[in-house]
Amino acid sequence: DAKTTQPNSMESNEEEPVHLPCNHSTISGTDYIHWYRQLPSQGPEYVIHGLTSNVNNRMASLAIAEDRKSSTLILHRATLRDAAVYYCILRANTGGFKTIFGAGTRLFVKA
Amino acid sequence: GAVVSQHPSRVICKSGTSVKIECRSLDFQATTMFWYRQFPKQSLMLMATSNEGSKATYEQGVEKDKFLINHASLTLSTLTVTSAHPEDSSFYICSAGTSGGARPTDTQYFGPGTRLTVL
Repeated sequence: DAKTTQPNSMESNEEEPVHLPCNHSTISGTDYIHWYRQLPSQGPEYVIHGLTSNVNNRMASLAIAEDRKSSTLILHRATLRDAAVYYCILRANTGGFKTIFGAGTRLFVKA
Repeated sequence: GAVVSQHPSRVICKSGTSVKIECRSLDFQATTMFWYRQFPKQSLMLMATSNEGSKATYEQGVEKDKFLINHASLTLSTLTVTSAHPEDSSFYICSAGTSGGARPTDTQYFGPGTRLTVL
């Protein structure tokens, strides 16, 4: 599986936008970029995914670089409830359904 | 969205006993479920892929006789930690996808986790 690299941690102020980067320089042409987040003492939850075009949903936006070697998860207005570990994951277009987690980015949100 | 439940949410047991954890997909059928383990301050580690009606597929380094997986129906997978020891204490999380197949666009839904403490 292609590898992703994320900063260990980031800090944000409440009500401000947050840009969480992810590098995936070895991504293949058919890999999808998924983001999940894990709140303390809970299972991960799906945030968003994309292939080439930028994507928006009610939780976040995903900006994908033109060469697809990096992407950015954008939380438009961080709240205290957004404090979590955010995982950037590549899902290969091969048989199987595995989701392999990297270290992720721990987001701290200050009031 | 789809819901995955786990039971129990927390269990404390004595060393040497076996513990069974259930994972259920509540509003969809899941031909494939996944079991993860997470130690404090670490990421999730995939343990095995649970396949309905067939044997589970274990990741390298995971003892299949230690972690028994049964996927008897399309909505239930169980993980049994046999002869548990303190080093097995961890947060165990299951997941399932609604399509049950191999599409890279499929969303995985995770259970709330089971915290196992072995004394």
